Amino acid sequence: AQSVTQLGSHVSVSEGALVLLRCNYSSSVPPYLFWYVQYPNQGLQLLLKYTSAATLVKGINGFEAEFKKSETSFHLTKPSAHMSDAAEYFCAVSDSSASKIIFGSGTRLSIRP
Amino acid sequence: KAGVTQTPRYLIKTRGQQVTLSCSPISGHRSVSWYQQTPGQGLQFLFEYFSETQRNKGNFPGRFSGRQFSNSRSEMNVSTLELGDSALYLCASSHEGGARTGELFFGEGSRLTVL
Repeated sequence: AQSVTQLGSHVSVSEGALVLLRCNYSSSVPPYLFWYVQYPNQGLQLLLKYTSAATLVKGINGFEAEFKKSETSFHLTKPSAHMSDAAEYFCAVSDSSASKIIFGSGTRLSIRP
Repeated sequence: KAGVTQTPRYLIKTRGQQVTLSCSPISGHRSVSWYQQTPGQGLQFLFEYFSETQRNKGNFPGRFSGRQFSNSRSEMNVSTLELGDSALYLCASSHEGGARTGELFFGEGSRLTVL
């Protein structure tokens, strides 16, 4: 069965600092991995996805993630945080045989002025 | 292109009542998934419908049911409401591949409060 673990339910960084949100996955088959963002009182929006092409995936709003099979990780990064990045971020996994995406528990990102 | 539309956005019910939530997917999307989001349990998969057929189901009791119509619109129903059913119910649509490999497009959700 597929699963994802997000390390840290809350991350706080200063504006302009590096953002690093951690995600580890478990999958018995090559996974499809996703990062979604949820702003207050809104649904989720896809930031980026990995589907076995390039291991470094670039997404919207300057975010990127690197797929590391040896570490079963798919961490999300952004070089310089902006106040508008404050939101909840979800890592998710699916596989080619499943018709559902499994979400992690989420990481709330706060940005300090 | 219009996004995923969920109605109603907010509703309050009492224990024992039943509720029906509606979801209109993006035009051309045939897959609709439903998720329950709560502070304690996070995002939990309820079920996915594709071409009017339930293709996958999560671990929820039979009180939770859904259906999909020929125009891909979907409804979910919760009967005999319990306090623990208070949550944000999110609907997501996607292309033919469904949630397997594709991108999910989420609505803004229906926030249900059970008193």
